[in-house]
Amino acid sequence: QLRLQESGPGLVKPSETLSLTCTVSGASISSSSHYWGWIRQPPGKGLEWIGRIYYSGNTYYNPSLKSRVTISVDTSKNQLSLKLDSVTAADTAVYYCARAVRFWGQGTLVTVSS
Amino acid sequence: DIQMTQSPSTLSASVGDRVTITCRASQSINNWLAWYQQKPGKAPKVLIYLASSLESGVPSRFSGSGSGTEFTLTISSLQPDDFATYYCQQYNPYSPWTFGQGTKVEIK
Repeated sequence: QLRLQESGPGLVKPSETLSLTCTVSGASISSSSHYWGWIRQPPGKGLEWIGRIYYSGNTYYNPSLKSRVTISVDTSKNQLSLKLDSVTAADTAVYYCARAVRFWGQGTLVTVSS
Repeated sequence: DIQMTQSPSTLSASVGDRVTITCRASQSINNWLAWYQQKPGKAPKVLIYLASSLESGVPSRFSGSGSGTEFTLTISSLQPDDFATYYCQQYNPYSPWTFGQGTKVEIK
């Protein structure tokens, strides 16, 4: 059964880089022809799509975040990663990883504060 | 970019009501549309994918329709467990993906 689990610091200082990892079990990131991606949800607000990576390595990012975001995969660890540079309080959100649209992690809250 | 306009933003309904939520895309997305249900503190749960395919385990009172730019999610008979927030998402493989703004279904 496919499972996705987000992990990373729950608190990040302004101007620093937010780094999250999504550990995938029950399927191989490199062998399945699926998109893997990240979504976030600020407290009390709607869902915002951050970006996705295809198993071949092709990426697509939200244009509003593109200059600050990097999504990558580590096939040896079967992990997906997210890096968001120069964070501000507006980046405080629950961050979810997902495989395409049908499988999501439970999410992890990241707060940007000094 | 493809914008998704979801309506209404809030919907008040009673148990047993038929409920319809609409999502409009700013350009054609064929049938690359998913509908999610989200409850407070929980991850979104997919209900419908490819515009009209019911996810395994989702009750048959949920249905999706549409293609191109106009899509609807229908709950045929609203149940107490259905009070939640619903989102549409376009996932056209040739563009960035986007979500609708959400529809909160409240008890009337």
